[in-house]
Amino acid sequence: EIVLTQSPGTLSLSPGERATLSCRASQSVSSGYLAWYQQKPGQAPRLLIYGASSRAAGIPDRFSGSGSGTDFTLTISRLEPEDFAVYYCQQYGRSPPWTFGQGTKVEIK
Amino acid sequence: QVQLVESGGGVVQPGRSLRLSCVASGFTFTSYAMHWVRQTPGKGLEWVAIMSFDGSTEYYADSVKGRFTVSRDNSKNTLYLQMNSLRPEDTAFYYCARAAGCSSANCRAWFDPWGQGTLVTVSS
Repeated sequence: EIVLTQSPGTLSLSPGERATLSCRASQSVSSGYLAWYQQKPGQAPRLLIYGASSRAAGIPDRFSGSGSGTDFTLTISRLEPEDFAVYYCQQYGRSPPWTFGQGTKVEIK
Repeated sequence: QVQLVESGGGVVQPGRSLRLSCVASGFTFTSYAMHWVRQTPGKGLEWVAIMSFDGSTEYYADSVKGRFTVSRDNSKNTLYLQMNSLRPEDTAFYYCARAAGCSSANCRAWFDPWGQGTLVTVSS
């Protein structure tokens, strides 16, 4: 099973700042089979990025994903008020099981 | 629009059973594999089970294997999760999610969309 470790646990930033979230895998995630999700309180997770760097439909271009192998990054170029949420990475390259990181909370500083 | 709606959650005593449902609309249900995922404050997101488009293949997380059974009724566009021998550690929000662009239980695909979830509480 591939274990995903996200860092930091919490990121305190102001609107307009850049957010950089990390996801590290315990084994190589083949072919960049990694996704990122956003979750707001009381809501289900929403797909942001798949294939490590492809934005899902309707996702603003301030969200970008990068990385390969065991190290992946989600970047939010300029935080908007609606971007403060919890972000999860997920690998789907070696499954079952499909596994998720423990999440990074982006909070308003 | 594409929508998944779960139901069937509630409060149940340890050792008892519960069946969750997930009704799909806005897409061709019979073309997609479907997942169940659960979320607890302590353990975050945990994949639970997957069923292929035709119900022929299913996989389970080790934590639920032998206790939970996933099924689907394609005539009703509905996915089910039968949960038996429930334990307090099964307490969670349960979500169904579509395997994006994928009909097999073995394909490599992200989850999109997700339903709004249904809460299961296992407590005496």
